[in-house]
Amino acid sequence: DVKVTQSSRYLVKRTGEKVFLECVQDMDHENMFWYRQDPGLGLRLIYFSYDVKMKEKGDIPEGYSVSREKKERFSLILESASTNQTSMYLCASSGLAGGRETQYFGPGTRLLVL
Amino acid sequence: DQQVKQNSPSLSVQEGRISILNCDYTNSMFDYFLWYKKYPAEGPTFLISISSIKDKNEDGRFTVFLNKSAKHLSLHIVPSQPGDSAVYFCAASPTRIHGSSNTGKLIFGQGTTLQVKP
Repeated sequence: DVKVTQSSRYLVKRTGEKVFLECVQDMDHENMFWYRQDPGLGLRLIYFSYDVKMKEKGDIPEGYSVSREKKERFSLILESASTNQTSMYLCASSGLAGGRETQYFGPGTRLLVL
Repeated sequence: DQQVKQNSPSLSVQEGRISILNCDYTNSMFDYFLWYKKYPAEGPTFLISISSIKDKNEDGRFTVFLNKSAKHLSLHIVPSQPGDSAVYFCAASPTRIHGSSNTGKLIFGQGTTLQVKP
């Protein structure tokens, strides 16, 4: 079974703090993703990575950065947390299922920025 | 511009009846579609998928139908059970371009919250 783990289930941070969200997958997947989920907006892609040290912006990258130093680990960084970054953050990695890429998600990190 | 749309934010059905969740897309380059199920405080889990070369795919109580001409897909759950109560996301993947790297990127809809009443 594919396993995607996220370092924290719940986090509370103060405005202006630097926040690190860690994600690890154990399936040797090339591709990894960070999303945020907000009510009525679905899953919005923040950043993705298709190889070590390679990254691309998603639909809403502003205020975020990422790091992928090792294939199994993909980190999301909030350089200076703001209240509008309060959200559920979901990490995914993708691998082949039935011949096409399928994304597998971690349990999510619910972040509250005060 | 929302390329994948789930126009019903919520749906309520009685246990044992059919649940039908709908999804529309605008990009004709999408050729692979997936449904995910998400419980509160958990990550989405893959449910079922369909390729554009098919118009139906079935897995137990779950069936996905694809109407390419209408750019519409639907997920049918029969019979519905209280444990099916969750948020359902549809997602679409564009055609792989020969020679390009496959990033596995998906475009998600906004989600539909299904409540199955006992």
